[in-house]
Amino acid sequence: DAGVIQSPRHEVTEMGQEVTLRCKPISGHNSLFWYRQTMMRGLELLIYFNNNVPIDDSGMPEDRFSAKMPNASFSTLKIQPSEPRDSAVYFCASSSLGAGDTQYFGPGTRLTVL
Amino acid sequence: RKEVEQDPGPFNVPEGATVAFNCTYSNSASQSFFWYRQDCRKEPKLLMSVYSSGNEDGRFTAQLNRASQYISLLIRDSKLSDSATYLCVVTHTSGTYKYIFGTGTRLKVLA
Repeated sequence: DAGVIQSPRHEVTEMGQEVTLRCKPISGHNSLFWYRQTMMRGLELLIYFNNNVPIDDSGMPEDRFSAKMPNASFSTLKIQPSEPRDSAVYFCASSSLGAGDTQYFGPGTRLTVL
Repeated sequence: RKEVEQDPGPFNVPEGATVAFNCTYSNSASQSFFWYRQDCRKEPKLLMSVYSSGNEDGRFTAQLNRASQYISLLIRDSKLSDSATYLCVVTHTSGTYKYIFGTGTRLKVLA
């Protein structure tokens, strides 16, 4: 079975540019999570969806970040405009029942904003 | 104070050694507990859930102490392949369901 798929795997962009990260959860999973990981702050939950509906976006750092889940098999995380401090690894994860169940992570997108 | 705290390490141990990590949490209403493993430049992967009665999976033993609000992970007979970062996860409901990762404990098993 395919796991969580993320694209791109690496992204290098310049400050001010728009960045879109993509995620395809495991088929049949109804919860999807976006995380950001840095050395300083560890793994931080940005937002999570249940049945395509955003449930908790309290971790989204500011208005420059937005996330959508138009259907059960696709989600995007957009940063506009990007800043150097957004450089991090962004993980998408999915789970089958709810936020309290095992989460399966994608390989991550390593974002560098110059 | 962070809601979930771990000693960042690194813990450097020789092959064959037994090593233990603790993870403390601040919310007494926490409901579920997990240990994840993350290899360098890879994604976190579930290692094991932590049950109230404690549980074992091969060389790995996880325990929960609700009174003192910590979970532990014991690794016996360490292998070189156990070298990784171990993340604890605590969940609770406060308005919405929260799934909170610790910052991880780094383990290096030395030949």
